[in-house]
Amino acid sequence: GESVGLHLPTLSVQEGDNSIINCAYSNSASDYFIWYKQESGKGPQFIIDIRSNMDKRQGQRVTVLLNKTVKHLSLQIAATQPGDSAVYFCAESPRNQGGKLIFGQGTELSVKP
Amino acid sequence: DAGVIQSPRHEVTEMGQEVTLRCKPISGHNSLFWYRQTMMRGLELLIYFNNNVPIDDSGMPEDRFSAKMPNASFSTLKIQPSEPRDSAVYFCASSFRTGGADTEAFFGQGTRLTVV
Repeated sequence: GESVGLHLPTLSVQEGDNSIINCAYSNSASDYFIWYKQESGKGPQFIIDIRSNMDKRQGQRVTVLLNKTVKHLSLQIAATQPGDSAVYFCAESPRNQGGKLIFGQGTELSVKP
Repeated sequence: DAGVIQSPRHEVTEMGQEVTLRCKPISGHNSLFWYRQTMMRGLELLIYFNNNVPIDDSGMPEDRFSAKMPNASFSTLKIQPSEPRDSAVYFCASSFRTGGADTEAFFGQGTRLTVV
């Protein structure tokens, strides 16, 4: 029979534009959050993290924003490049659960040259 | 460091056979995670270890799945007997946890398992 897979949200942007990828997390006890990038055929790769005592953190071309009130996380990528094309996952780590990471469904970012 | 190393990268086996997936975490890391990724269910946590001790195996699908971590540098995930619905990419990840503070988990390249 025909298999039905997850239909990942897709974000398509023009090279050079900024990208914003959003994520809603579920557990109000989560106190640590990570964004991962996964390219085809590879494992998830760490991009940036943020702890619950912060609401913003910046890296190289990337910024993560955390809104604990509405349990929302976003990843902003500045000057998006073709090499940024991948699936992006947010992950939450509930407090006192040994570093367990719970992943969201992912968003596919497609960068048009 | 070479990162998290998984073997084999690809495994094709017949239904009913035993499958063993292997993982070498990053040296010095004290937490190890096994994840499964499918199109249907995304990335699911199967089990994780802290200091070689299994902490939470609630994600293990059924008794056919078992995982061990005999020492800090090696872990296995075994499926016996395997079934076609076990076909997926299995990832191992490791991290360092200190004083209750979590840090990022580093993932291996995964093992693509196909059960026919």
